[in-house]
Amino acid sequence: TAGITQAPTSQILAAGRSMTLRCTQDMRHNAMYWYRQDLGLGLRLIHYSNTAGTTGKGEVPDGYSVSRANTDDFPLTLASAVPSQTSVYFCASVSGGENNEQFFGPGTRLTVL
Amino acid sequence: GQNIDQPTEMTATEGAIVQINCTYQTSGFNGLFWYQQHAGEAPTFLSYNVLDGLEEKGRFSSFLSRSKGYSYLLLKELQMKDSASYLCAVLDSNYQLIWGAGTKLIIKP
Repeated sequence: TAGITQAPTSQILAAGRSMTLRCTQDMRHNAMYWYRQDLGLGLRLIHYSNTAGTTGKGEVPDGYSVSRANTDDFPLTLASAVPSQTSVYFCASVSGGENNEQFFGPGTRLTVL
Repeated sequence: GQNIDQPTEMTATEGAIVQINCTYQTSGFNGLFWYQQHAGEAPTFLSYNVLDGLEEKGRFSSFLSRSKGYSYLLLKELQMKDSASYLCAVLDSNYQLIWGAGTKLIIKP
């Protein structure tokens, strides 16, 4: 079982360009999340989706958009990248079991120049 | 506002015991998590506490006091592979996880 996969592993992007970070899970989890992780700060929630067809804004949604056309895929799009979006991005999904464990993808390291 | 506090860095000796503390102030509480994150890798689940008390899982134990807004992660018989960051997170009233910045644990031989 692959769990959660993310692509690309890393990317250097010119400011002003757009980019989509891909996230796919094969665990049939309903809820999925996008976080960014920056040095000295905790994981910060960008957007989430409780189930296919629905999305919501997290703590730091500006400059990002998401879609959830089906259960497995949850892409994150940067419409016009800025240097402050340089970060490591993690996608996660929730098992829905009694402990609400979140499973994380391997992350995408994005550098915006 | 919502806040999770944990020490930035701790150092311990191989074979010893270390306790990593976490205090929280959140809007609602639906459980507290500890995750381990090795450098350059994704966080992985360690423990979940929703009721007061101690949960033991092998060399790792996690304690929760809801009245004090306090938790700790206890690591026994430390091994070099335990060198990692340990993240405390609280599930708030909206069932969103609020994350601490993490505690970097350095294990010395």
